[in-house]
Amino acid sequence: KQEVTQIPAALSVPEGENLVLNCSFTDSAIYNLQWFRQDPGKGLTSLLLIQSSQREQTSGRLNASLDKSSGRSTLYIAASQPGDSATYLCAVRPGNTDKLIFGTGTRLQVFP
Amino acid sequence: EPEVTQTPSHQVTQMGQEVILRCVPISNHLYFYWYRQILGQKVEFLVSFYNNEISEKSEIFDDQFSVERPDGSNFTLKIRSTKLEDSAMYFCASSENLAGQETQYFGPGTRLLVL
Repeated sequence: KQEVTQIPAALSVPEGENLVLNCSFTDSAIYNLQWFRQDPGKGLTSLLLIQSSQREQTSGRLNASLDKSSGRSTLYIAASQPGDSATYLCAVRPGNTDKLIFGTGTRLQVFP
Repeated sequence: EPEVTQTPSHQVTQMGQEVILRCVPISNHLYFYWYRQILGQKVEFLVSFYNNEISEKSEIFDDQFSVERPDGSNFTLKIRSTKLEDSAMYFCASSENLAGQETQYFGPGTRLLVL
């Protein structure tokens, strides 16, 4: 059964720092992996999707990498800003299903 | 930019009542999903829907739940007889699910409170 774990659970950093959020999954047979942002009490905003055949994807200050064989993905946020404060979720799509399996999330706070 | 919309944003109901949660997926998307998030817990998959039928459902999606695409734009989740433990945020999502276009786009959610 696929399990998705994210560490750290919470992170508080000063503005301007570069940071790395980690996601690990137990079954490497995934179709893709998606990173989301969730603001308190709100919906999920898709940030990046990485196909199983890809190693990384970039969007602005965000870079996500995927190492499928070791069951890991990282989300790198460059030059963090207070507006980046949110919970970041990673979700994997197993190879034989439509569904996403979500991790526990990393709650990020960036203070001025 | 196209987005998934959901109504209502909040719903309070009494245990045992029926509720219908509504979603309008992105117009050219073919795959539709419902997920839920109980407060403080992970987002959980409920059901996926394609070509007017359920393509996959989780063990949470029992006989109390049903989905429907009553017209060309709406996608609904019905809970027939709500229980206290159905209290959660319910998210609708949609995707094109074609090769290279598998991103699932989520709506803002409906917060359901069962009393």
